[in-house]
Amino acid sequence: QLQLVESGGGVVQPGRSLRLSCAASGFTLSNNGMHWARQAPGKGLEWVAMIAHDGNSKYYGDSVKGRFTISRDISQNTLYLQMNSLSSEDTAVYYCAKDYGSNGWYNHFDPWGQGTQVTVSS
Amino acid sequence: EIVLTQSPATLSVSPGERATLSCRASRSVNNNYFAWYQQKPGQAPRLLIYGVFNRATGIPARFSGSGSGTEFTLTISSLQSEDFAVYYCQQYDNWPITFGQGTRLEIK
Repeated sequence: QLQLVESGGGVVQPGRSLRLSCAASGFTLSNNGMHWARQAPGKGLEWVAMIAHDGNSKYYGDSVKGRFTISRDISQNTLYLQMNSLSSEDTAVYYCAKDYGSNGWYNHFDPWGQGTQVTVSS
Repeated sequence: EIVLTQSPATLSVSPGERATLSCRASRSVNNNYFAWYQQKPGQAPRLLIYGVFNRATGIPARFSGSGSGTEFTLTISSLQSEDFAVYYCQQYDNWPITFGQGTRLEIK
């Protein structure tokens, strides 16, 4: 059974940093593309970042480019999102999600984790 | 970036009836790189349709997708109680990946 469990969310002051984790089970990150997406309160979905199945390519949404970094630890089968220079506009539930297929580029997502809340506030 | 505009924002339909949700792209989405998701309150989204018309694993046949270019449609042929939710379209033809703003499907 494929499962994703996010952690690391919380309340953080503007300008500070936070690192989110996404523990994967039932499959290995080493041959699967992975994504982060977010959802601000009462709003729609926004794609944030992607790391390709081979780990060599990374892409970011315009609103987080230069501030957020996606990475993975194959030995821990865990995906990360390092978030720097946070602002109130980054307040959202953050989801990790798996590419629907393996060993390739798919960029549609399933399954998703349950999400972790990030609140940026002074 | 490709902007996706969903309509209507809210759709009221009776159980057992057909629902048709639309998504318009600001420019052509090629390669059939287009998907639909369902999200229920307090839950993560779930993939329904990918590649314009392919149902994801476990998705009932009452869900179908169609369209091409800049116009796409999700049809639910006979609404069940569990189908009332928010639906999002997504394009993955161009970076950045983008979603529509969502259509809320509510019980009439």
